[in-house]
Amino acid sequence: DAGVTQSPTHLIKTRGQQVTLRCSPKSGHDTVSWYQQALGQGPQFIFQYYEEEERQRGNFPDRFSGHQFPNYSSELNVNALLLGDSALYLCASSLGVRATNEKLFFGSGTQLSVL
Amino acid sequence: DAKTTQPNSMESNEEEPVHLPCNHSTISGTDYIHWYRQLPSQGPEYVIHGLTSNVNNRMASLAIAEDRKSSTLILHRATLRDAAVYYCILRGRGDTGRRALTFGSGTRLQVQP
Repeated sequence: DAGVTQSPTHLIKTRGQQVTLRCSPKSGHDTVSWYQQALGQGPQFIFQYYEEEERQRGNFPDRFSGHQFPNYSSELNVNALLLGDSALYLCASSLGVRATNEKLFFGSGTQLSVL
Repeated sequence: DAKTTQPNSMESNEEEPVHLPCNHSTISGTDYIHWYRQLPSQGPEYVIHGLTSNVNNRMASLAIAEDRKSSTLILHRATLRDAAVYYCILRGRGDTGRRALTFGSGTRLQVQP
């Protein structure tokens, strides 16, 4: 079972550019969440997708947008990149409504550097 | 969400037990205590969770205080592979996999050979 996979693993962009990060959830999972982790900090929730719609959103500007495809995979898009967007971007997948206290499974992340 | 407080860092020696504390004085009666850990260059991974009683699994044990205002994650014999950041997180009873996790800064555990 391939777990949560993210691509690319590393990315370098310049200020003002746009970036797209990709995530494939663990087999059988229907819910994908994205988190941003700055150096030395815990992950911060960006947003969550299930049934191909954004369902919850953390405190992030609308420069951050996403998409979920019918096969449950997801993309995170960031427009007009700022230096402060440099971080590790983590994707987490889960079974949405099967049980309470359902655990989340995380990918290894995409390290984004904005120069 | 109720808040948790953890020490910034702890050190342990290999093959010795490690007790990682977490304070959650504002925990509600229906909040579960979850622990995740993040190994270097990886995403967080689930470790264990509990409500009131102590819990054991193959990775660790979770000891919960009687008043539930604190808990302790116990690694019975630390290995070098256990060096990671450990996060203590509260989740409501009704939280499914569609409820976001709220991470603090966690405890960075260093394991010395």
